[in-house]
Amino acid sequence: AAGVIQSPRHLIKEKRETATLKCYPIPRHDTVYWYQQGPGQDPQFLISFYEKMQSDKGSIPDRFSAQQFSDYHSELNMSSLELGDSALYFCASSSGRRGDGYTFGSGTRLTVV
Amino acid sequence: AQRVTQPEKLLSVFKGAPVELKCNYSYSGSPELFWYVQYSRQRLQLLLRHISRESIKGFTADLNKGETSFHLKKPFAQEEDSAMYYCALIYKLSFGAGTTVTVRA
Repeated sequence: AAGVIQSPRHLIKEKRETATLKCYPIPRHDTVYWYQQGPGQDPQFLISFYEKMQSDKGSIPDRFSAQQFSDYHSELNMSSLELGDSALYFCASSSGRRGDGYTFGSGTRLTVV
Repeated sequence: AQRVTQPEKLLSVFKGAPVELKCNYSYSGSPELFWYVQYSRQRLQLLLRHISRESIKGFTADLNKGETSFHLKKPFAQEEDSAMYYCALIYKLSFGAGTTVTVRA
């Protein structure tokens, strides 16, 4: 079965550079969530989209932005990268139906040096 | 505001012993609760959803609205159960802080 696809798997950037992470949800899933998981930390909600509109916003820095496109894939854009942005970035998708739960991608491991 | 609390950061049990991971929630509406598991260097995986009342890998969890709890239980822990377990609440998918379970032989 198709899963949530995230690319790239690994990314190394220097401070002050920009990065773009991509998430391709499961077909027919219309909701996408982004999470940041620092080393030894629990996942922190960043932002979510439903039907291409931002549905909720969590602890996403102003340096980050995201959007969901017409094919429901989502991109997380990160600018002026800082060392503290090094983390595993998860994307999850859902259909919005009660009880369906969320399916997570494998994550993108971002290392800022 | 919704909140999920997992009071135990670390839990160590012997193989074959029962294990219970506590989860308490705070939510004004009708909650949807899940348990997710993260094995070492792997993605978060859905383990259980309260709405289906299923048993996965020997784990069960019962929603107790009176106690606002959704504790995860397994009668006989196995070494492969060693992982990080997160209790999660819909709709913003709020995670608890997670409980690291180590099952010793």
